[in-house]
Amino acid sequence: AQKITQTQPGMFVQEKEAVTLDCTYDTSDQSYGLFWYKQPSSGEMIFLIYQGSYDEQNATEGRYSLNFQKARKSANLVISASQLGDSAMYFCAMREGLGNAGNMLTFGGGTRLMVKP
Amino acid sequence: NAGVMQNPRHLVRRRGQEARLRCSPMKGHSHVYWYRQLPEEGLKFMVYLQKENIIDESGMPKERFSAEFPKEGPSILRIQQVVRGDSAAYFCASSKGRDANQPQHFGDGTRLSIL
Repeated sequence: AQKITQTQPGMFVQEKEAVTLDCTYDTSDQSYGLFWYKQPSSGEMIFLIYQGSYDEQNATEGRYSLNFQKARKSANLVISASQLGDSAMYFCAMREGLGNAGNMLTFGGGTRLMVKP
Repeated sequence: NAGVMQNPRHLVRRRGQEARLRCSPMKGHSHVYWYRQLPEEGLKFMVYLQKENIIDESGMPKERFSAEFPKEGPSILRIQQVVRGDSAAYFCASSKGRDANQPQHFGDGTRLSIL
């Protein structure tokens, strides 16, 4: 089974509007972290936002917020007031197991966001 | 971009040659991770190292690939006798700790092309 699923391969949004990028995850661990990264066409990976499994409040970072629904195992990224520079690939990732060896990030397949002027 | 330095940015090799990819983690980070990204796909974990130790290499191919993180100097991902299927972007990430709440900060990646 996929650990991280991003069901939207591509999305369009009008400039200045809000957009939600979906992410569902699968884990049996009680302690885990969920991350979103942005990859523009230049190729670098930019960390955007983090949500811990024990965090009761949804994470926010500027125009980014994470809609965390633990019972549904979803961690959707919301971008408010989209800008042309938001056009990029967005990856949802999970890090499992507090203190376990490995602790690698498991990535979803990504969503390509295109912001229309 | 987060201070993780990877070089070279682009690397071209012919089949059968060796590729050496370098990664210097962010200052204060002692945990290094290597990932591989094929076109239009997410990143796939390869190996996790701390200084002088390989902690988890469950994502590394059993042959031709090796990684090290010496006491002094950058982490090195080495691919021997490269084949066309090794063409990919290779990303290095570092973190301060290995707890689930520690983000991994990525370098800009090395794009490896095999002729």
